[in-house]
Amino acid sequence: DGGITQSPKYLFRKEGQNVTLSCEQNLNHDAMYWYRQDPGQGLRLIYYSQIVNDFQKGDIAEGYSVSREKKESFPLTVTSAQKNPTAFYLCASTPGIEAFFGQGTRLTVV
Amino acid sequence: KQEVTQIPAALSVPEGENLVLNCSFTDSAIYNLQWFRQDPGKGLTSLLLIQSSQREQTSGRLNASLDKSSGRSTLYIAASQPGDSATYLCAVSGNYGQNFVFGPGTRLSVLP
Repeated sequence: DGGITQSPKYLFRKEGQNVTLSCEQNLNHDAMYWYRQDPGQGLRLIYYSQIVNDFQKGDIAEGYSVSREKKESFPLTVTSAQKNPTAFYLCASTPGIEAFFGQGTRLTVV
Repeated sequence: KQEVTQIPAALSVPEGENLVLNCSFTDSAIYNLQWFRQDPGKGLTSLLLIQSSQREQTSGRLNASLDKSSGRSTLYIAASQPGDSATYLCAVSGNYGQNFVFGPGTRLSVLP
């Protein structure tokens, strides 16, 4: 089955802790994206990567970091510098025209 | 900067009605427009993709149209069903670097 897999589905973070969200795709897409979704709001772009070993900041990159060491993988780290990390995080990929999404990770600060 | 809006923000209709969701964008220089469905707590599922050279796309009871010059797209849902209840988002792509700009969505409730 081809698709985008995000894990875990639910994640709990303590204050001051870094956590990493996983995103893996087997669609052979070059471009991958991370979005944040808050209740009642649209998707906001955190980071994107058009090619391996390269990535760009989106609109709300502060407090987040990413890596793109493999074409299939684009993990997102939520650092302690992100003061309000509780949100729904969505990973997407595209071959260039149509966007495909994973099922999301809900992150909660406890 | 490209901005995307969607009207209405929420819509509640009885089962069987035909309905229209609206999406507007400020920069008409888009590559394509995509409509998505999102169920609560889930990711986005692609419904229809309209490339910039196309005027409309159809899939089953769904029909999406695109008018680039006026910066508008509509999603028409025929004979709505309770299973259509979800949030519908539109997104445009263009030469923006990050490629996709999303609207805030329309939350649809179809009552049995």
